[in-house]
Amino acid sequence: GIQVEQSPPDLILQEGANSTLRCNFSDSVNNLQWFHQNPWGQLINLFYIPSGTKQNGRLSATTVATERYSLLYISSSQTTDSGVYFCAGGSRLTFGEGTQLTVNP
Amino acid sequence: GAGVSQSPRYKVTKRGQDVALRCDPISGHVSLYWYRQALGQGPEFLTYFNYEAQQDKSGLPNDRFSAERPEGSISTLTIQRTEQRDSAMYRCASSLAPKYSYEQYFGPGTRLTVT
Repeated sequence: GIQVEQSPPDLILQEGANSTLRCNFSDSVNNLQWFHQNPWGQLINLFYIPSGTKQNGRLSATTVATERYSLLYISSSQTTDSGVYFCAGGSRLTFGEGTQLTVNP
Repeated sequence: GAGVSQSPRYKVTKRGQDVALRCDPISGHVSLYWYRQALGQGPEFLTYFNYEAQQDKSGLPNDRFSAERPEGSISTLTIQRTEQRDSAMYRCASSLAPKYSYEQYFGPGTRLTVT
């Protein structure tokens, strides 16, 4: 099966800062999703992005399918952005180990 | 409409007991997936269905785990003779249909604790 690597594993920001999270895949995927697991354990869909660029408010994502990576950008971070960010790919989603984001006030 | 729902949200059981976890997918979603998530890790695939047919059960850890979706809607994941190592968050997801979209939507999960 495919391998998914996420970086960085941990990230601490001050409120208002910007950040970039990265996800590398060992093989091409026909499905790529970004999720936010909030402190209550819910997995929230952020983006479904097998290729290209999408934006939703302060968040945007870019997937370069030919190079097997995806980036998640968070701008003007807020304390409510804290949690674990997962990327996952493939029809039977293979998840990375996540990036633990902490945004301090 | 309503999202994916799972019940119970929390389950504490004694080692050796059987448990049944329920998933109700988004209405109209053809595909249904089960994942297991250990603390501090990402979810791991267990099995999935298209309609009532189980398409892939390669992720089920052993034969104590089984799943069904008899009418192509609600699904049940059953763990027989539970062991402490079965303790985890069990998540269900659904998606519209492969020909339209692979995007999966997750339910809130069932936190299983085996004592």
